Amino acid sequence: NAGVTQTPKFQVLKTGQSMTLQCAQDMNHEYMSWYRQDPGMGLRLIHYSVGAGITDQGEVPNGYNVSRSTTEDFPLRLLSAAPSQTSVYFCASRTNMDSNYGYTFGSGTRLTVV
Amino acid sequence: GDSVTQMEGPVTLSEEACLTINCTYTATGYPSLFWYVQYPGEGLQLLLKATKADDKGSNKGFEATYRKETTSFHLEKGSVQVSDSAVYFCALDTGRRALTFGSGTRLQVQP
Repeated sequence: NAGVTQTPKFQVLKTGQSMTLQCAQDMNHEYMSWYRQDPGMGLRLIHYSVGAGITDQGEVPNGYNVSRSTTEDFPLRLLSAAPSQTSVYFCASRTNMDSNYGYTFGSGTRLTVV
Repeated sequence: GDSVTQMEGPVTLSEEACLTINCTYTATGYPSLFWYVQYPGEGLQLLLKATKADDKGSNKGFEATYRKETTSFHLEKGSVQVSDSAVYFCALDTGRRALTFGSGTRLQVQP
C-alpha cells in the first residue's frame, strides 16, 4: 500500500546509545519531515527536507541528524540518546507540486530512553 | 515566526452535542490550513483543509472556515459521536518548510 512507513514501531534505548529511525515513502514525494510528539506540546518539527540532498533544521534539532540521499528515504539518527528524547516520533511527506494536499503521516515510532 | 494556537483540552461532551474547537494562527503570506485527527494509538490523519480565505473545508460532518480577517480556522460539528473521541490538531503550511502544529485538543465524547 502506498504511504509512509516507519520502523521500528517501538524501541527502548539506554542513555548514550545511538540508533536510526527509518522512514520511507513510495509516493515520490519531495517534501519530508520529522516531528516529535510530547504530551501537551503537540508536534514539534525536528528536521525537514525539500528534496534529495537538501535538509534543514526545525524547532528542536539538537541531538538529531538527518540525511536525504534518495527521494524515498529520510532516516533520523539519534547520536547519543538521552531521557529527554523519550517521545513518539512521526515522519511525514507531501508532494512539492501543491501544498494544499497536506502531508501523509507514518504510524509513528515510540521511543523510550532509560 | 509561524504559530498556531488551539484551545486547551480536554473537551468532554455528551453524544449529539455541538462541538467547536478554536484555532487561530500567525503566519506570513497565505498559508493553507488543516485539521488533523489522531485516534488512540494511531498516527495523524488529515480531516479537512482550506487553502484560501473564506474556503470551507468539510469531512465526516466536521467543518472549518478559513477566516483571514480573524486569522482563525475553528473546527465545528453539529452532533458528535463516541467514535469522534480523539485528539484534534490544527496546522498550517506556508509551503516554505513543513507543517506548524497547534498543541492539540483532546475530545472525549460520552454516551
